[in-house]
Amino acid sequence: KAGVTQTPRYLIKTRGQQVTLSCSPISGHRSVSWYQQTPGQGLQFLFEYFSETQRNKGNFPGRFSGRQFSNSRSEMNVSTLELGDSALYLCASSRQEIYGEQFFGPGTRLTVL
Amino acid sequence: GIQVEQSPPDLILQEGANSTLRCNFSDSVNNLQWFHQNPWGQLINLFYIPSGTKQNGRLSATTVATERYSLLYISSSQTTDSGVYFCAVWVSETGNQFYFGTGTSLTVIP
Repeated sequence: KAGVTQTPRYLIKTRGQQVTLSCSPISGHRSVSWYQQTPGQGLQFLFEYFSETQRNKGNFPGRFSGRQFSNSRSEMNVSTLELGDSALYLCASSRQEIYGEQFFGPGTRLTVL
Repeated sequence: GIQVEQSPPDLILQEGANSTLRCNFSDSVNNLQWFHQNPWGQLINLFYIPSGTKQNGRLSATTVATERYSLLYISSSQTTDSGVYFCAVWVSETGNQFYFGTGTSLTVIP
């Protein structure tokens, strides 16, 4: 069974631009979560989607948004990029509806110049 | 919010040595996982362990939820064990969120 895939793997943007990252979960998994990893803040929960609905959200500004499609694939969008948004963005999927085991993709490394 | 502290923050071992990594959490949790992050950033699942003890080869883990801690044991360490180890917990106090610990950076030298 294929694992979680994320595209693109690397991305360079400039301040003020917006970016869209994509995540395809493991087949049969309906929950998708997003995380940001930075050297200063560590790994932080962004949001979680289940059956196309955002169920949970971390403490991030409204510039960070996401959505989930009927096939469980998910996208996250960051608008008006800031230098501090440079990070590794990780996506995870889970089979269970709640508190399920998380399986992570390889991540998208975003650099904002 | 919940605090998830890991110790030690850094660990250097000789190949073949054993080690114990600790994860303390400040509130009750609904589930707990251990991960190994490789140098390329990939988080690899080690254990899904809300309570009790599990073993997988040279690795084992124990979670005592009532006392709010979990331990990861690595025996006969190998250079490929190097990387950062994270514990992470599901918490439902303010909506459901998955909180990561501060991590333990392990270096195994030959």
